[in-house]
Amino acid sequence: QVHLVESGGGVVQPGRSLRLSCAASGFTFSRNAMHWVRQAPGQGLEWVAVIRHDGTNEQYADSVKGRFTIFRDNSKNTLYLQMSSLKDEDTAVYYCAKDLSGSYTVDYWGQGILVTVSS
Amino acid sequence: QSALTQPPSASGSPGQSVTISCTGTSSDVGGYNYVSWYQQHPGKAPKLMIFDVSKRPSGVPDRFSGSRSGNTASLTVSGLLAEDEAYYYCSSYAGTNWVFGGGTKLTVL
Repeated sequence: QVHLVESGGGVVQPGRSLRLSCAASGFTFSRNAMHWVRQAPGQGLEWVAVIRHDGTNEQYADSVKGRFTIFRDNSKNTLYLQMSSLKDEDTAVYYCAKDLSGSYTVDYWGQGILVTVSS
Repeated sequence: QSALTQPPSASGSPGQSVTISCTGTSSDVGGYNYVSWYQQHPGKAPKLMIFDVSKRPSGVPDRFSGSRSGNTASLTVSGLLAEDEAYYYCSSYAGTNWVFGGGTKLTVL
C-alpha cells in the first residue's frame, strides 16, 4: 500500500526558506517520478514541480521557478522541496504525490502539510 | 500555464447522472491522452478517479466515467450517491508541466 508522509511545514516569514520532506513507502520509490502539488486555503489545486525517477530532470511551475528546488534521495525513499524567497502567496497545503508509471498522471497523494508564510 | 476551466458547481438528486466539463486547449487537454480527474472531500487528500481520459483505477466504481471531445474533457457520475458529494478537479499533462482545473463542487440534493 502506497504511503506518503510529508513533514517540515510550519510558519515562516516572507523572504525566508523552508524545506519539506516526503517519506515514501509501499512501492519501489526509485522507479517513479514524484510531484509536489499545493492548495492554497479554500482554493483549488496547483501543480508545483516534478522530478524524474532517477533525479536527472526537474520541471517547475512558472510561479515557483527559480525559488523552489525539488530533489530526491532514492537511498532514503525520500522526496524534498527546498523553498526559498517565500512569498505570502506560497501559503498552502503542500502535497507530495506519486506519478503513475506509464502515464503522466499523479495517482497517489500524501495527506499534505501546511506552510504558512506570514510576518 | 493557464488553469483548465471547470464550472464552479454541479448538482443532482440521488440516482441521477451529472456531467462535469473541463475545457483546456490543444496544448493540454486536446493534445495529450493524459487527462485525469480527482475527487476531494473536505480536509482530505485528492483521490484519483479517472486517468488517461477514460480509464478507471482499480477500486473506483464504474459509475464514474471519463471522455473527451476536442479540447474539452468530461466526467460523468451515474447513479449519484450521497458519498459522491465532493469537489472534483480535472488535470492534464501539458508537455513539460501539469495543469489543474479550478474545481467543481458536486452537491447531491
